[in-house]
Amino acid sequence: DADVTQTPRNRITKTGKRIMLECSQTKGHDRMYWYRQDPGLGLRLIYYSFDVKDINKGEISDGYSVSRQAQAKFSLSLESAIPNQTALYFCATGGNSNQPQHFGDGTRLSIL
Amino acid sequence: LAKTTQPISMDSYEGQEVNITCSHNNIATNDYITWYQQFPSQGPRFIIQGYKTKVTNEVASLFIPADRKSSTLSLPRVSLSDTAVYYCLVGDDNDYKLSFGAGTTVTVRA
Repeated sequence: DADVTQTPRNRITKTGKRIMLECSQTKGHDRMYWYRQDPGLGLRLIYYSFDVKDINKGEISDGYSVSRQAQAKFSLSLESAIPNQTALYFCATGGNSNQPQHFGDGTRLSIL
Repeated sequence: LAKTTQPISMDSYEGQEVNITCSHNNIATNDYITWYQQFPSQGPRFIIQGYKTKVTNEVASLFIPADRKSSTLSLPRVSLSDTAVYYCLVGDDNDYKLSFGAGTTVTVRA
């Protein structure tokens, strides 16, 4: 969905490095989310934000942090990457009865 | 957040109708039902959403019985391009902790 843009699309890095994944949206939605998906599994929620001043932990927030720089921008950071954080990461916006979630195309992250 | 149960996988052939049933026995009064589709290496894409009875759009139909304890996504005349994972989610506008389970992998064969 071009309305939700994730960068980078692919990243390979080493254990211990700090990594930032960025997400921007043109949907005008207040709500934004970060998920991770492991092979053969569903999406698990890392963090979610209802507006610039509201950020909440999801079910697997340990090892991650986020920043909501503006309504349109929500970034995810791995302060010290570890191999089991290798996964496909998705950003999404929306998520209520009037605004079904819209997802980006994902960032494939590999940590060696 | 109501728990949902759906089949792990389903196989079909081109031109057939595919029906995926999702069980949500503890659905709450304000909960609505949403279905998403995900292709490999892409983010999920919204398909359809409903609260009760039947909803139809250009892609699918959603059937919800009166007790709302289950719902059925119907994909008419599937093609190879409908091969994907389909997720059923149940919740209201306050269910911020939306989680996608493993979904149903639908494989369409020629």
